[in-house]
Amino acid sequence: KQEVTQIPAALSVPEGENLVLNCSFTDSAIYNLQWFRQDPGKGLTSLLLIQSSQREQTSGRLNASLDKSSGRSTLYIAASQPGDSATYLCAVPYSGTYKYIFGTGTRLKVLA
Amino acid sequence: EAQVTQNPRYLITVTGKKLTVTCSQNMNHEYMSWYRQDPGLGLRQIYYSMNVEVTDKGDVPEGYKVSRKEKRNFPLILESPSPNQTSLYFCASRPKPDTLRAFFGQGTRLTVV
Repeated sequence: KQEVTQIPAALSVPEGENLVLNCSFTDSAIYNLQWFRQDPGKGLTSLLLIQSSQREQTSGRLNASLDKSSGRSTLYIAASQPGDSATYLCAVPYSGTYKYIFGTGTRLKVLA
Repeated sequence: EAQVTQNPRYLITVTGKKLTVTCSQNMNHEYMSWYRQDPGLGLRQIYYSMNVEVTDKGDVPEGYKVSRKEKRNFPLILESPSPNQTSLYFCASRPKPDTLRAFFGQGTRLTVV
């Protein structure tokens, strides 16, 4: 059974810091992994999607890496800004299905 | 604008009073699903639909029903809501079941008293 864990659960950093969010999954037979952002009271926005054949994806100040063999993905945020404050979720497909299993998220607060 | 629209955004109801949360997407997506989000439990899938008239249970289907009569709409029905169904609900869609990127609605915060 696929289980997804995100550490830390919450993180508070001063503006300008580079930071790393972690996502671990137990079943490495995945065909992709997605990182989402959730703002309070709002839906989820897809940030980055990494296919199993890729090692990383970049979008602006965000970089996500995927290491299937170790069951880990990291989301790197460079030069953090207060506008980055949100909850970040990773999701992986459940083996043999089209369903996504979500981690419980990392709640990020960037202080001005 | 491509989007997934849920209504209502907020709802307070009483135990046992049937309700429907609507979900509509304008992207001609085949795959649609419903999730509930609870503190410490993350997002859990309630039901999903691979296409019109094709629906199946997710991880937590008890107490819920869905229908998919048209491609764009995927309503979530609570026939007899109970307080343990108080949660934040999300509808999501993808172009096809095996398409990677998912689009989410804004969420419906439901409180059952």
